[in-house]
Amino acid sequence: GAGVSQSPSNKVTEKGKDVELRCDPISGHTALYWYRQSLGQGLEFLIYFQGNSAPDKSGLPSDRFSAERTGGSVSTLTIQRTQQEDSAVYLCASSLGRNNEQFFGPGTRLTVL
Amino acid sequence: AQSVTQLDSQVPVFEEAPVELRCNYSSSVSVYLFWYVQYPNQGLQLLLKYLSGSTLVKGINGFEAEFNKSQTSFHLRKPSVHISDTAEYFCAVIFETGSARQLTFGSGTQLTVLP
Repeated sequence: GAGVSQSPSNKVTEKGKDVELRCDPISGHTALYWYRQSLGQGLEFLIYFQGNSAPDKSGLPSDRFSAERTGGSVSTLTIQRTQQEDSAVYLCASSLGRNNEQFFGPGTRLTVL
Repeated sequence: AQSVTQLDSQVPVFEEAPVELRCNYSSSVSVYLFWYVQYPNQGLQLLLKYLSGSTLVKGINGFEAEFNKSQTSFHLRKPSVHISDTAEYFCAVIFETGSARQLTFGSGTQLTVLP
């Protein structure tokens, strides 16, 4: 597609439920990143994919968070047993390579009640 | 630890006045530098980037920034701002260590242009 797309744009869930967030990167971009933007923590790195593998998961805040990427394209970020502190905007970005400009999607706003 | 500092959380400025948004980073490794802008309820848009070459880089909407390696800075400037420049601006750095090359962001500067 022309840009990075993310779905859903908004997600409201109850504490303890699982959620899945989807990212469609720009076609041909091999690198994919997930970030989180919250009032208290600013913009934080979560995970990076090169192709389908994730060599760096150091930013995932807990083992409730996981992500996968299939076909070198679509990525899904899963949060299990959501907590109120998971409320944030989750941003996906893609780039041609590791040191190139990252193009951001519009984000998914997650609210955990 | 590698970090990015934007000292000014809010910068009010009158329309047509010049503005400088400051960014410093803490690392001696090679870096790639970026400025992103975020308008209300929108995603991040790249303003400009420094990867190599000339230390003065020009971006969209009349913005420019200068990479100063000795001062580990990458300040953003615009000679004359418009009301439409009101937004949050983020400085971001890729530190050339590790495998991820993720962006490390500053805490952001809210630029408010006053009529």
